[in-house]
Parts: sequence; C-alpha cells; structure tokens
Amino acid sequence: KNQVEQSPQSLIILEGKNCTLQCNYTVSPFSNLRWYKQDTGRGPVSLTIMTFSENTKSNGRYTATLDADTKQSSLHITASQLSDSASYICVVRTGNNRKLIWGLGTSLAVNP
Amino acid sequence: DGGITQSPKYLFRKEGQNVTLSCEQNLNHDAMYWYRQDPGQGLRLIYYSQIVNDFQKGDIAEGYSVSREKKESFPLTVTSAQKNPTAFYLCASSIGDGSYEQYFGPGTRLTVT
Repeated sequence: KNQVEQSPQSLIILEGKNCTLQCNYTVSPFSNLRWYKQDTGRGPVSLTIMTFSENTKSNGRYTATLDADTKQSSLHITASQLSDSASYICVVRTGNNRKLIWGLGTSLAVNP
Repeated sequence: DGGITQSPKYLFRKEGQNVTLSCEQNLNHDAMYWYRQDPGQGLRLIYYSQIVNDFQKGDIAEGYSVSREKKESFPLTVTSAQKNPTAFYLCASSIGDGSYEQYFGPGTRLTVT
C-alpha cells in the first residue's frame, strides 16, 4: 500500500534553533517528492519538489534531502524564525497512476 | 496580482442544503483540483480537471459535483448526499498534470449543522 509517514507528529523549538523533520514513504513506483508548508487555516505552499536523481535541494533556510534507496526524505530548517510555525507536509507522487500521496504533516511551533 | 482565490472563507449551512464553493485562478493554469482536509488525515482529492469542459473523479467524489466551463473557474458543489460535509476545502491549480507544482488557494471552511 502506498503510504507516507512523517515524524515527529509535533515539535517545539526555540527561535534561532535548527530542526529536522522526517518523511518515510512506501510509494512505488516513485516520481517525485514534495514538501509543503501550511500555516493554520491557510492553503499549503510548496517548498521543494525533488525527483529521483536529486539528493539535496535548498530553498532559503529550508533544505530537503532525498534518499531514494531507503525511501526517506528530511526537511532541515536552519536558524528558525517565529514565522516558521506551521505544519510541514511531505507528499509523494506515484510514477504510474500519477497520484499524490499526502502525509499527515509535522506541526512545528517556534517559541521566542 | 496573480493567484488563486476561494470564497467565502467561512460557510455555514443547514443539513440537507446544497452549497457551492467558488475557486478562481488567474495563473492561466490548465489543471485545477479540489481537496478536502480533515483533522488527523492527509489531503484527499475530490475532483480534478485537466482541461476546460472535462473533469475526473478523485478518491472521494461521492456527494460532490463540479463544473469547468471556463479555464479560470472550477466551482465545487457539496450536495445533501455528502454524509459528512463539514471540513476544510482547498482548491489548487497547476500548469499541467500532477507532475507540476500545485498552487493552493486560501481554503473554505464549511460547517454543516
């Protein structure tokens, strides 16, 4: 069964600290993996899209990694800011029926 | 100011009434999507449209209907047949099919009592 699992479910960090969010997937065949940021009560905003051949991709203070062999991805946030408080969702696109499999997200709270 | 808009932000209806959620985009995207988001669940696809006058059912289409008469607009009707309509509804669009980045609207929170 195609699944995307994220950990931790929630995380609290202090402003200025770094953190890493994890995404494990069992989707096959694989097409691409995306990370979205969703503020409470708003629509998701894309952070990165990574294909099979990409190991690392950065978007400002956000860096995503992908290990297609172990089917794992991580999202590293550097020097966190209060505005980083949001839910971060990992999404994997299948290669055959082209469906998007959505994770449940990690809820991040950045405290002053 | 390009983007995708949804209205209204909050919507309240009585059980048994149909309700239509609006979604408009001025990004010139061909594809549009409707998702439903519930607490503790990932986004679930209701309907999608790759081109004007054509749309396909997603994973949870029962109790919903859509139309795509214009490229810019993709309204979603929640009918009285939908058993549990209270949810956060998100509309998205993309240049082409699902391999491209999807841009989301701000969402509509529907409450049915």
